[in-house]
Amino acid sequence: AQKVTQAQTEISVVEKEDVTLDCVYETRDTTYYLFWYKQPPSGELVFLIRRNSFDEQNEISGRYSWNFQKSTSSFNFTITASQVVDSAVYFCALNSGTSYGKLTFGQGTILTVHP
Amino acid sequence: KAGVTQTPRYLIKTRGQQVTLSCSPISGHRSVSWYQQTPGQGLQFLFEYFSETQRNKGNFPGRFSGRQFSNSRSEMNVSTLELGDSALYLCASSLGDRTSDTIYFGEGSWLTVV
Repeated sequence: AQKVTQAQTEISVVEKEDVTLDCVYETRDTTYYLFWYKQPPSGELVFLIRRNSFDEQNEISGRYSWNFQKSTSSFNFTITASQVVDSAVYFCALNSGTSYGKLTFGQGTILTVHP
Repeated sequence: KAGVTQTPRYLIKTRGQQVTLSCSPISGHRSVSWYQQTPGQGLQFLFEYFSETQRNKGNFPGRFSGRQFSNSRSEMNVSTLELGDSALYLCASSLGDRTSDTIYFGEGSWLTVV
């Protein structure tokens, strides 16, 4: 069975602060794929990043960065210099290497950035 | 390039009725999957279709069904609605050729059962 845990239910920060969203996953598959999605109030899940299990390189995209560590089964997401527009619910998700279209999601972290 | 389109966006149904939700995937995507999102259960996978065939299924009762058409558009149906079916229903699409394909979501259909 697969499981994704996002221990932080809600995070509140002030604009320009850095914030890290934690994600821990469990899977018995040796090949798997990890995702982060952003969900604004409109409801749509906006794709942010996909990481393959065999690629542990960290990634940076503008103010966003991701730290993937297989040794601790974690795939954490950091927003640098947060902005009010970053306020949303963020989901970490896992797809096994044998399952099409099926993502296992964490419970999500509500991020609120105050001006 | 148009994203995943879902209709209707909002709807209210009465307990016992049935509902049909529609989804148009991103052009060129042949896999369509459906998810239910509720405050209590979070995001849960319903089923996935590829080339008109259900390829994967979650743990939902038989009242939840779906289908996919030859143009990859998909519909999901919920019969005999219950209050607990009130949720955001999200459709997602991907190329579908590999399990590594990125999955893109639509804006969802907000269903309220009264």
